[in-house]
Amino acid sequence: QKEVEQNSGPLSVPEGAIASLNCTYSDRGSQSFFWYRQYSGKSPELIMFIYSNGDKEDGRFTAQLNKASQYVSLLIRDSQPSDSATYLCAVIDNNNDMRFGAGTRLTVKP
Amino acid sequence: DTGVSQDPRHKITKRGQNVTFRCDPISEHNRLYWYRQTLGQGPEFLTYFQNEAQLEKSRLLSDRFSAERPKGSFSTLEIQRTEQGDSAMYLCASSLPGTGTYGYTFGSGTRLTVV
Repeated sequence: QKEVEQNSGPLSVPEGAIASLNCTYSDRGSQSFFWYRQYSGKSPELIMFIYSNGDKEDGRFTAQLNKASQYVSLLIRDSQPSDSATYLCAVIDNNNDMRFGAGTRLTVKP
Repeated sequence: DTGVSQDPRHKITKRGQNVTFRCDPISEHNRLYWYRQTLGQGPEFLTYFQNEAQLEKSRLLSDRFSAERPKGSFSTLEIQRTEQGDSAMYLCASSLPGTGTYGYTFGSGTRLTVV
């Protein structure tokens, strides 16, 4: 089992819709969780972090964490074509290393 | 200092040659990480430094790979006797200690192509 798992997609949503991206992790001791956005050929850029159960909102982005289910998600409201990218879920594990999922490719269609 | 800098951006090398990449972290960040990313995959952890000390190495880092951070500032990653399987994007990231909460800042990466 991979340490951090994501659906590879592609996930396609129409402009203005809500995009929902999901991630599960295997290390129950993980404490910090991140969502990075990566455009093709570019490096990852941090868009959200969360470390407490519940929801955390930042503009059009909401991160949701459920440690009991070892599940973290990212919602993007009012999706825009510029949101089209690969979204990487990352977790700080018990060794204090950041582990990444393979990413979910999101396409927002105008 | 506007971010993490990596040099070169692209490197094409023949199989069997040695290559060296450089990373300059954000100046106040004392932690520096190297990751490797292949197409369609997320970044894979290679190694990390706190100041000049290399504190952890992944099993992905074979004997052909060596990383240094001699003065606790910039770091180099050397690959000896390159193989085609080494073709990937090599990403450097930096952070402050205790900022596992806040994530890492990545450089633009060095794309290595071994032909």
